[in-house]
Amino acid sequence: EPEVTQTPSHQVTQMGQEVILRCVPISNHLYFYWYRQILGQKVEFLVSFYNNEISEKSEIFDDQFSVERPDGSNFTLKIRSTKLEDSAMYFCASSEFGLRNTGELFFGEGSRLTVL
Amino acid sequence: GEDVEQSLFLSVREGDSSVINCTYTDSSSTYLYWYKQEPGAGLQLLTYIFSNMDMKQDQRLTVLLNKKDKHLSLRIADTQTGDSAIYFCALRSGYALNFGKGTSLLVTP
Repeated sequence: EPEVTQTPSHQVTQMGQEVILRCVPISNHLYFYWYRQILGQKVEFLVSFYNNEISEKSEIFDDQFSVERPDGSNFTLKIRSTKLEDSAMYFCASSEFGLRNTGELFFGEGSRLTVL
Repeated sequence: GEDVEQSLFLSVREGDSSVINCTYTDSSSTYLYWYKQEPGAGLQLLTYIFSNMDMKQDQRLTVLLNKKDKHLSLRIADTQTGDSAIYFCALRSGYALNFGKGTSLLVTP
């Protein structure tokens, strides 16, 4: 069964360093998302991406964050200068139809980011 | 954005029914979802309900929607130990899903 894969599964970084989290969405999906979950908190929407551009972003997704689809398969989230409060589990998701119809999102297993 | 609230923990005995509740504030969402997260895994869509429905049944799962009270529930019949996981209520909001904090369901033998 096709699945969304994310790398790395866990990354530890120093405050102020740049981090890139990678995702390979399901191959025929056209809509891509990043969500995050700070420990003990709710899963929060960061950004949605369609047709090579951001379709919506939350207030969390400030200038420190960027997304890119550098080739036909990868979808990346970059955090330019990490802060302690960026420590979280980051989930990538993809969808064939976006949130039209039933709007099912397929999530990866997550990348845990720890900022020291 | 919408506020989505869930109780954090639920413990049931194997074979009993589980009922996980969710309340929300904004009633404009057309679809409401239940996602399941097993340990070490991503979120997996369990079921969903369209906002013009009151109830949806899918095998052991029953979703009830009370739009007047802005209350969504998930009932799992004959709960098994394999049902132990975190269950997230989610509502569609524009291009995004707005999740609750999740309810940890523990099923004891």
